[in-house]
Amino acid sequence: ETGVTQSPTHLIKTRGQQVTLRCSSQSGHNTVSWYQQALGQGPQFIFQYYREEENGRGNFPPRFSGLQFPNYSSELNVNALELDDSALYLCASSSATNTEAFFGQGTRLTVV
Amino acid sequence: QKEVEQNSGPLSVPEGAIASLNCTYSDRGSQSFFWYRQYSGKSPELIMFIYSNGDKEDGRFTAQLNKASQYVSLLIRDSQPSDSATYLCAVNRGRSGAGSYQLTFGKGTKLSVIP
Repeated sequence: ETGVTQSPTHLIKTRGQQVTLRCSSQSGHNTVSWYQQALGQGPQFIFQYYREEENGRGNFPPRFSGLQFPNYSSELNVNALELDDSALYLCASSSATNTEAFFGQGTRLTVV
Repeated sequence: QKEVEQNSGPLSVPEGAIASLNCTYSDRGSQSFFWYRQYSGKSPELIMFIYSNGDKEDGRFTAQLNKASQYVSLLIRDSQPSDSATYLCAVNRGRSGAGSYQLTFGKGTKLSVIP
């Protein structure tokens, strides 16, 4: 186990709804990144937070937004859900002393 | 052109053989490269990272990097059935030295090791 925990593990939402996914980073890690992995694809970088500020963003629309809290945990919010948002959402945490990013177990989101 | 390309496979090898997984990337300025293993329904786990041209060995795994050809490979020696998984190649567009891992992944290569 990596010490990165995500909740919930599974979620079903209806198209047009909003969803919030949560990630608790590993102790001491101040950087959190979010990825979307559609079935049969590699993970795609959504954005990264470093010390509560957005520190890079991938090619995702503004309805994907996030937050990082003072304890470095993070949320991913998706508004106006679309069917194509159905995916495994992965959170990864790291710090400057790491040689890798540590992934959580993921949240499986299904939009119907 | 996709940023990171891998053959999707499936790649099938007999138990005990060498599995060779390949990856090319488009950003010539990329500095750090990663191989992840992902079992079905699980999150990716890091196998190796490589920053410098040449080979890097860790147990049964060897990563090879050729920046001039923009090519990264992973060799798995003495393949075991437990190695059957999808292998993801990733390139970091962030600054690894600062702990900023903003990874661009390929689609992954599915490896099956046949007993």
